[in-house]
Amino acid sequence: NAGVMQNPRHLVRRRGQEARLRCSPMKGHSHVYWYRQLPEEGLKFMVYLQKENIIDESGMPKERFSAEFPKEGPSILRIQQVVRGDSAAYFCASSSGTQETQYFGPGTRLLVL
Amino acid sequence: GESVGLHLPTLSVQEGDNSIINCAYSNSASDYFIWYKQESGKGPQFIIDIRSNMDKRQGQRVTVLLNKTVKHLSLQIAATQPGDSAVYFCAENENTNAGKSTFGDGTTLTVKP
Repeated sequence: NAGVMQNPRHLVRRRGQEARLRCSPMKGHSHVYWYRQLPEEGLKFMVYLQKENIIDESGMPKERFSAEFPKEGPSILRIQQVVRGDSAAYFCASSSGTQETQYFGPGTRLLVL
Repeated sequence: GESVGLHLPTLSVQEGDNSIINCAYSNSASDYFIWYKQESGKGPQFIIDIRSNMDKRQGQRVTVLLNKTVKHLSLQIAATQPGDSAVYFCAENENTNAGKSTFGDGTTLTVKP
């Protein structure tokens, strides 16, 4: 009865490197959401995906950030050429359908040096 | 822009007392609301949800009240325990942007023994 899984849990990158964050949704869930949380703040929506489709990316920065949810395998949030301002906790959630309960993973804490 | 916000950033209660955490929202089109609990270093944990066709919903030791007239949401925790200490977030789903949850900034609940 595994929940949402994210890896790595902690990721350290130097400025200019790439960060790849992975999310495996709960069994039976085909909807995946990515959120970013800065220290002492709430979660900010980034992107909503279904299998092989991006449904809503209104919260994604226009440059350097991309997300995918392939037919097979986990969802990937990719950040190219990271900057210090990208340091945050990135959470993935999954649900069984639109407007259904979103269950969150433990997050990936990205630190950019 | 429209947002979800919390009235108080911190709340301190005595163990055994009841806790009330409040949330204001401004998007009249929202029709699904969720309360999450987030402990330090962990992802948000679903507590309870309510849809806009209801004004009250009860769970185990928790009750959510929704007042659509004044766009107000509250979470009541009965007989608060030390394990309830965490940050509590309310979130709303916009029915025109199904899937995207907008989070408030959170209220930190501290339970004193």
